[in-house]
Formats: sequence, structure tokens, C-alpha cells
Amino acid sequence: DTAVSQTPKYLVTQMGNDKSIKCEQNLGHDTMYWYKQDSKKFLKIMFSYNNKELIINETVPNRFSPKSPDKAHLNLHINSLELGDSAVYFCASSIGTGNTEAFFGQGTRLTVV
Amino acid sequence: GDSVTQMEGPVTLSEEAFLTINCTYTATGYPSLFWYVQYPGEGLQLLLKATKADDKGSNKGFEATYRKETTSFHLEKGSVQVSDSAVYFCALNGRFEGGKLIFGQGTELSVKP
Repeated sequence: DTAVSQTPKYLVTQMGNDKSIKCEQNLGHDTMYWYKQDSKKFLKIMFSYNNKELIINETVPNRFSPKSPDKAHLNLHINSLELGDSAVYFCASSIGTGNTEAFFGQGTRLTVV
Repeated sequence: GDSVTQMEGPVTLSEEAFLTINCTYTATGYPSLFWYVQYPGEGLQLLLKATKADDKGSNKGFEATYRKETTSFHLEKGSVQVSDSAVYFCALNGRFEGGKLIFGQGTELSVKP
């Protein structure tokens, strides 16, 4: 069983569209994250949820809206997609908000054309 | 704010060569330190970790020691294999940062037969 799974793996869409990426973890973790990896492979956190509550929002445009229906799921919805949103988006989870390791999904490669 | 700096890549080695990838950090307090590896087309996998000064993390022949006095966490392997070709990320997780991982810029390693 995949510990952290996200869908889709690839997403190609036109500018201006709205799209969602879904993430599920079966590790029983309380905390989930979205990270963005740019074309130079630099990774930066976008959001963090702990037990369905938003705890980190790192100056991400409000076109990006995370939603956590329960602590095993964290989805990312993106409105009015722009060319600059093209990146790989990683979902991750950890036991809690302390200084522990995170476990990552396989990533979603988003290409906006 | 907290930050991680890694040596620039790409690094190209012959099989069985010795590997060192330098990593230094800036952080308040006592963060945990991690090395993650990203194989082509895949997500991030935790390679090893250390949670306090002088801890040595090790896995799959890779090692790194948490050096508080030099704020470093250099990754080493005595004899690399072609299968070690990947991008390696050093990261830290501060105790009061809500679980947020701060990554270095990544170092691409290519091992030739």
C-alpha cells in the first residue's frame, strides 16, 4: 500500500482553468503538507494542516486553496491557472508538528499551457 | 530565518568513488536534520536523519553527522554505485516551525560505470 498517494501524477491544462490535486495518506498521521518544486528543483512549503486545521500558509496566492475534509486527506484546488504555476506539487505527511520527518507522495507534475 | 545551503551540483563520479555532499544550516534553537533523495521521476524519500548534536544518521551505506559547532550535516558514502544517481536534498525542521521542512537547493549526483 502506498503511504502517501496523490492524483493525478500528470496534469496538463490551459491558462485560466481551475484544477484540483488530491492527496491521501494511510499512515495515521495528524499533519499534512503541500510543497512546490520549481523547475530548478527547489522545494518550498505552501501549506500545512494539522488535524484538519490550517497551521501554515506561506504567502501563497489566494488562487490556491487547500481543503482537508479529514486528517487523512488534503486536496489542493487552483483557480485561474497561470503559466508560472507549472511545477511539481508534492503532498507529504508527518506524525505531528514537531521536528520529525515527513513522508512524501510521488508528486503531481502540473503543466500550464 | 532558518536556511540550508548545499554544495552546487551536478556532481559526477565514477562507480566506487567516495562521495561527499556538503550541507550547512542556519537555525535558531536545535533543529532536526535530514537527507532526502529524489530518484528521476519519483517523489522524495527519507535517506537518513539526526535529531540532536553529534547524532550520526546512516542508511544504505550513506552517513551524516550532526555537527552543531560547524552547523553542518555533510552526506558521505564510501563507494557509490550507478543506482545512487539522484538528486539529494539536505533539510531541517525547527522545533517550533509547525513541522515545516526547509530544504537546500538540491545536489544532483551522476555516477558513471
